[in-house]
Amino acid sequence: RKEVEQDPGPFNVPEGATVAFNCTYSNSASQSFFWYRQDCRKEPKLLMSVYSSGNEDGRFTAQLNRASQYISLLIRDSKLSDSATYLCVVNGRNTGKLIFGQGTTLQVKP
Amino acid sequence: NAGVTQTPKFQVLKTGQSMTLQCAQDMNHEYMSWYRQDPGMGLRLIHYSVGAGITDQGEVPNGYNVSRSTTEDFPLRLLSAAPSQTSVYFCATQKTGTYEQYFGPGTRLTVT
Repeated sequence: RKEVEQDPGPFNVPEGATVAFNCTYSNSASQSFFWYRQDCRKEPKLLMSVYSSGNEDGRFTAQLNRASQYISLLIRDSKLSDSATYLCVVNGRNTGKLIFGQGTTLQVKP
Repeated sequence: NAGVTQTPKFQVLKTGQSMTLQCAQDMNHEYMSWYRQDPGMGLRLIHYSVGAGITDQGEVPNGYNVSRSTTEDFPLRLLSAAPSQTSVYFCATQKTGTYEQYFGPGTRLTVT
């Protein structure tokens, strides 16, 4: 089982839609969780950290469910510019190193 | 501030050749790392460094060497390139006291 698993998609949604991605992780001792955004042929960029109480940044909301070991990212009112791959990132088993999921691709259509 | 820079952007090597991928940062972050990204695999950690003079292996270190003589620079050396090393390589720094990482623009390497 992979340490961090994501549905690769692609998720195709119209502009203005609400879309949610989930990511599951296997290490119950993980303490740090992130969502990164990666545009085609570019480097990953930190989108937001995920806190135990959940957090919101504009149209983006991140949630953590420790009992079920998953994190989620909700995007409201999707824009064309939200089209990208979203990487789920968790600090790994024993080492504390970051483990990256393979990413979920979002395509927002006009 | 330039952040994290990488050179070259693109490189084509023949099997058996060696080369060094350069990475430099001006954020004064102690922690630096190298990843490779392959389709369907996500980013995989090659080597990392927690400070000048200290390096350690990540998940996929075979065929690569690193050194860290200064805080700013963290070069990655391919000793004898193989087609399996065709990939996109990213260098990253990590903000001190956090797990937040900042990536360079990447080097696209093809080994024929």
